[in-house]
Amino acid sequence: AQSVAQPEDQVNVAEGNPLTVKCTYSVSGNPYLFWYVQYPNRGLQFLLKYITGDNLVKGSYGFEAEFNKSQTSFHLKKPSALVSDSALYFCAVRLPNTDKLIFGTGTRLQVFP
Amino acid sequence: EPEVTQTPSHQVTQMGQEVILRCVPISNHLYFYWYRQILGQKVEFLVSFYNNEISEKSEIFDDQFSVERPDGSNFTLKIRSTKLEDSAMYFCASRRGGGRTNEKLFFGSGTQLSVL
Repeated sequence: AQSVAQPEDQVNVAEGNPLTVKCTYSVSGNPYLFWYVQYPNRGLQFLLKYITGDNLVKGSYGFEAEFNKSQTSFHLKKPSALVSDSALYFCAVRLPNTDKLIFGTGTRLQVFP
Repeated sequence: EPEVTQTPSHQVTQMGQEVILRCVPISNHLYFYWYRQILGQKVEFLVSFYNNEISEKSEIFDDQFSVERPDGSNFTLKIRSTKLEDSAMYFCASRRGGGRTNEKLFFGSGTQLSVL
């Protein structure tokens, strides 16, 4: 079955430190990969995507993600965390022949001052 | 930036009642979606809609559910006879379509449906 795993329910990091939010996937074919962020009482907001090309993709708010085909991972990273980055982060995949996103369970990022 | 708007933000209904959740997608978008998120669980795909018809639906989207784009601007999700397990946050989303640069989904803020 197609699935997305986010192994950490919560990630805590101090402001100014680098952060990583992990995502692995299990799908057949060549998926499109996404990260979305959800702030309290808001809908999901697009951060970045990988479709093809360079394995390191850059997105909104200084976030980037690295696609690793051999490890089937797409970890979200940021060199220097901000308190305002605290939110719920979702990894998602879409297969090219479908129109639905399969989401991970989400990782709550808490950045402490 | 343009937004997807959803109304109402909260909806409380009795089990067995019909509810209609409303969404106004971004005006030049062509693909429309409903997702839902049960409290504490993952976001789940319900249905996608393109060119005035359902293009894909999940197993959750049974005969109790229907979608409609009645007037070229609104996109609605109807649940005919609500069950307790339909309680969730329902998100509408849209995207422009037409190539890889338009893969980004825009989500509304959601409608919290509570079935009593």
